[in-house]
Amino acid sequence: EAGVVQSPRYKIIEKKQPVAFWCNPISGHNTLYWYRQNLGQGPELLIRYENEEAVDDSQLPKDRFSAERLKGVDSTLKIQPAELGDSAVYLCASSLRLGNTEAFFGQGTRLTVV
Amino acid sequence: EDQVTQSPEALRLQEGESSSLNCSYTVSGLRGLFWYRQDPGKGPEFLFTLYSAGEEKEKERLKATLTKKESFLHITAPKPEDSATYLCAVQATTDSWGKFQFGAGTQVVVTP
Repeated sequence: EAGVVQSPRYKIIEKKQPVAFWCNPISGHNTLYWYRQNLGQGPELLIRYENEEAVDDSQLPKDRFSAERLKGVDSTLKIQPAELGDSAVYLCASSLRLGNTEAFFGQGTRLTVV
Repeated sequence: EDQVTQSPEALRLQEGESSSLNCSYTVSGLRGLFWYRQDPGKGPEFLFTLYSAGEEKEKERLKATLTKKESFLHITAPKPEDSATYLCAVQATTDSWGKFQFGAGTQVVVTP
């Protein structure tokens, strides 16, 4: 069974430039999460989807971040414009359903803003 | 506010030297506690889910236990390949959407 696939693996951009991350969850998983992980910290939730509906985006900085999950499968997370403080690893995860089932993570995208 | 605190921040072990990692949590109601392993440059890899106090789960040299306030991850006779950062996360019953609240992790290094 294929795992969660993310691309790109690495991205270096200048501040004020836009950037986008893509995620393909495990087949059949209805729930999709985007997390941000800073060095030496645990992942912090940005947004959660149940199918195509964003059920919790309270942690997403909406002035510069946006996300979508068209057709309830793949998802894209965008930052525009990027700031130096956005440098982090962006992780996508999926689970069968919301609730107490475990989430499976992708490899992440390491973003460096210079 | 829900909180998850892991200790120690870092742990250096000799091969074969058993030890325990701690995850203490504060939630109004626990739906589940999860342990993950994270290797450098990779995403977290699921290890265990614990749901109620007294529950235990085992996988190879790892054993996770749960009380009402904390969870322990015991590493028995570790090998160098057990070197990783171990993360715990909780889900609270007050969150209907199953949010995972992660701790900062314990970085474990096992030397030959």
